Amino acid sequence: AQKVTQAQTEISVVEKEDVTLDCVYETRDTTYYLFWYKQPPSGELVFLIRRNSFDEQNEISGRYSWNFQKSTSSFNFTITASQVVDSAVYFCALFDSNYQLIWGAGTKLIIKP
Amino acid sequence: DSGVTQTPKHLITATGQRVTLRCSPRSGDLSVYWYQQSLDQGLQFLIQYYNGEERAKGNILERFSAQQFPDLHSELNLSSLELGDSALYFCASSVGRTSGRDTQYFGPGTRLTVL
Repeated sequence: AQKVTQAQTEISVVEKEDVTLDCVYETRDTTYYLFWYKQPPSGELVFLIRRNSFDEQNEISGRYSWNFQKSTSSFNFTITASQVVDSAVYFCALFDSNYQLIWGAGTKLIIKP
Repeated sequence: DSGVTQTPKHLITATGQRVTLRCSPRSGDLSVYWYQQSLDQGLQFLIQYYNGEERAKGNILERFSAQQFPDLHSELNLSSLELGDSALYFCASSVGRTSGRDTQYFGPGTRLTVL
């Protein structure tokens, strides 16, 4: 069965610290897609990244980076030099042959000034 | 702003009532998805429509139904409402039929409160 686990319910760091959000997934498919979304306090869901199962290259976008490791079924997200505006709930999600997004429970990230 | 619009933003109603939530996808997107976000269940996929036809179904209750109209806007109908239906309902849209290759862009959500 498909499953996405975000074991960290809440993380609190001081501004400018680096922080990593963990995501572990389960699927029997060889072709699948992984996503990260951000939900700021205002409530909307903001797309951050999509990764397919055949592309294991890590990706960097400004202060954001993602580490995809098929061997450990993980797709972790790191924010470098965190800022107060990064405070939000972050969701990891899996899409596979069931044709629907399976979501993790989310990690609430609190960045203190 | 994702380009996906949802109305109303807030909805307060009583148990047993029926409500309709409306969604307009981004220009050019043919797929519309509905999600429910609640404190106890988290984010759950309800249903997807592609170009007017049902494409995929998730944990949608029989009391709930949806449709996508020729102009591609979609409506989610919730009937015989219960207290447990109180949640944030999101609509998302994407270009294609299979959302793995496409990115789903989300609307701002409709917060439903059932009293």
